[in-house]
Amino acid sequence: AQSVTQLDSQVPVFEEAPVELRCNYSSSVSVYLFWYVQYPNQGLQLLLKYLSGSTLVKGINGFEAEFNKSQTSFHLRKPSVHISDTAEYFCAVSENSGYSTLTFGKGTMLLVSP
Amino acid sequence: DTAVSQTPKYLVTQMGNDKSIKCEQNLGHDTMYWYKQDSKKFLKIMFSYNNKELIINETVPNRFSPKSPDKAHLNLHINSLELGDSAVYFCASSPFPGTYEQYFGPGTRLTVT
Repeated sequence: AQSVTQLDSQVPVFEEAPVELRCNYSSSVSVYLFWYVQYPNQGLQLLLKYLSGSTLVKGINGFEAEFNKSQTSFHLRKPSVHISDTAEYFCAVSENSGYSTLTFGKGTMLLVSP
Repeated sequence: DTAVSQTPKYLVTQMGNDKSIKCEQNLGHDTMYWYKQDSKKFLKIMFSYNNKELIINETVPNRFSPKSPDKAHLNLHINSLELGDSAVYFCASSPFPGTYEQYFGPGTRLTVT
């Protein structure tokens, strides 16, 4: 069975600063990896996904993530954050086999202040 | 042009009652899901349906009964509501089961008093 660990429950950062949200996963088979964002009182929106190919994945709103198989990580980065990026960010993994489900991490709250 | 919609958005009810949440997707997807997000924001899969057939049931109490009248709809009925059922319930859909990105609805906040 797969699992996801998001090491930071909260990341405070100033506007225009860079940010990295960490995600590690565990699985015995190959995986697909996802980052979702949840703005207050809203549903989840897909930021980016890694299915195969290039390990550097670019998503919406200027976010990118890098798949590192040896370190079983899929960290999310943005070079310069905005106030509007304040939200909960979820890393998720799905095993590349059959009717696999999405397993989510516990989320990281990104707090951007002026 | 809401892709995945849920009704109601908020639901407040008393213990012991029975309630339903409805979900509809207009994306033409084959697969739909129900997730529960608890007070600590942890998201966990409850059920998954593919083309109206149940394919995943993650040890959810049998007070919870999903129903899919067609592949665009997946409703969740909850009997004998308990305090611990208070949560946000999200519906989602994907083109195929499991491995592809999922599109989420806005959520239904259920409060059991």
